[in-house]
Amino acid sequence: KQEVTQIPAALSVPEGENLVLNCSFTDSAIYNLQWFRQDPGKGLTSLLLIQSSQREQTSGRLNASLDKSSGRSTLYIAASQPGDSATYLCAVSTGANNLFFGTGTRLTVIP
Amino acid sequence: EAGVVQSPRYKIIEKKQPVAFWCNPISGHNTLYWYLQNLGQGPELLIRYENEEAVDDSQLPKDRFSAERLKGVDSTLKIQPAELGDSAVYLCASSLVAGGRQFFGPGTRLTVL
Repeated sequence: KQEVTQIPAALSVPEGENLVLNCSFTDSAIYNLQWFRQDPGKGLTSLLLIQSSQREQTSGRLNASLDKSSGRSTLYIAASQPGDSATYLCAVSTGANNLFFGTGTRLTVIP
Repeated sequence: EAGVVQSPRYKIIEKKQPVAFWCNPISGHNTLYWYLQNLGQGPELLIRYENEEAVDDSQLPKDRFSAERLKGVDSTLKIQPAELGDSAVYLCASSLVAGGRQFFGPGTRLTVL
């Protein structure tokens, strides 16, 4: 069974800092990898989706990379803002289209 | 365009009572998912539908959980009877095609007393 690990579990940074969130997975036979954001008491918002054949995806201040062979992905957030405070979840999709989620990184950006 | 709609948003029941959750996916999305999210954990898949067919229900505790997706649109997830350990957030998601980006609803937070 695919296992997804995210470190750190929690992170606090001052506003304006660049930061990196890490995700690792045990089975490299993935279909795609997604990064989600979850605000307290709310559902998940998909931020970026990287297909298994891709190396990275960018959206605004967010950049996600994928190294399938080593089972790793990173989410880079540039010039962090207080509004970025949330839990960030990494999820990998198998060929059966099931998503396996990590436990998330809780980010706090301090004004 | 409306997102995935779920109701109710919150539900408090006593153990051994039945409970049902409703989900309306994004219009045109053929694939529908129900996930369970425990506090501090990532969501875990309970069941996946392709149109009306449940194509993966291997993680659904069938002794007490059931689900249906009539006409391949709305879906209902039921628990009967509920147990204390069922307290969690139940998330519904949909995607246009299998393997595509999944869009999540706000979830239903269930508390079993």
